[in-house]
Amino acid sequence: QKEVEQDPGPLSVPEGAIVSLNCTYSNSAFQYFMWYRQYSRKGPELLMYTYSSGNKEDGRFTAQVDKSSKYISLFIRDSQPSDSATYLCAMSGSGGSYIPTFGRGTSLIVHP
Amino acid sequence: GAGVSQSPSNKVTEKGKDVELRCDPISGHTALYWYRQRLGQGLEFLIYFQGNSAPDKSGLPSDRFSAERTGESVSTLTIQRTQQEDSAVYLCASSSPGTLSYEQYFGPGTRLTVT
Repeated sequence: QKEVEQDPGPLSVPEGAIVSLNCTYSNSAFQYFMWYRQYSRKGPELLMYTYSSGNKEDGRFTAQVDKSSKYISLFIRDSQPSDSATYLCAMSGSGGSYIPTFGRGTSLIVHP
Repeated sequence: GAGVSQSPSNKVTEKGKDVELRCDPISGHTALYWYRQRLGQGLEFLIYFQGNSAPDKSGLPSDRFSAERTGESVSTLTIQRTQQEDSAVYLCASSSPGTLSYEQYFGPGTRLTVT
């Protein structure tokens, strides 16, 4: 079993839909949870990060962490065609563990 | 300011040849990471440099892979005797002092194809 599991998709939605992207993990030591967006043939860019459990909102994006279930989510409201990309979750432990473990990414397609 | 840059952007090489990939991190970033991303896969950690500390090489898949970094500047990733399974995008990321791994800034990657 991989430490971080993420459905690769593709997930295809119409413009304006609410998108839910998810990851599960097995390592209870993870404390930092990140979401990256990667456009085709580009490097990933950090979208959001959350420490421990709870929600964090930034514009149309909401990150949610449920440590008891070892489950994290990224919600995108009012999705746009420009949101079409691969979304990678990543997580790392506290202390000296600065090396994140990445999920394989979910490909999102938002069609007009 | 300038972001992380990588060169070459694309590299095609024959099986058995050596290749060298270069990463220029953001100025002042003391931490530098190399990752490998195979088609349809997540990022696979290769090596981590932090300032003048000994690098964390725990992710290097074999002794054909090595990396160097001069101070807090340029890093090179070398793959010797390339194999077809080395074909992937090699990504470099850097982060600034006092921040944790979530604040990584990635370069565009080098797409390596071994024929």
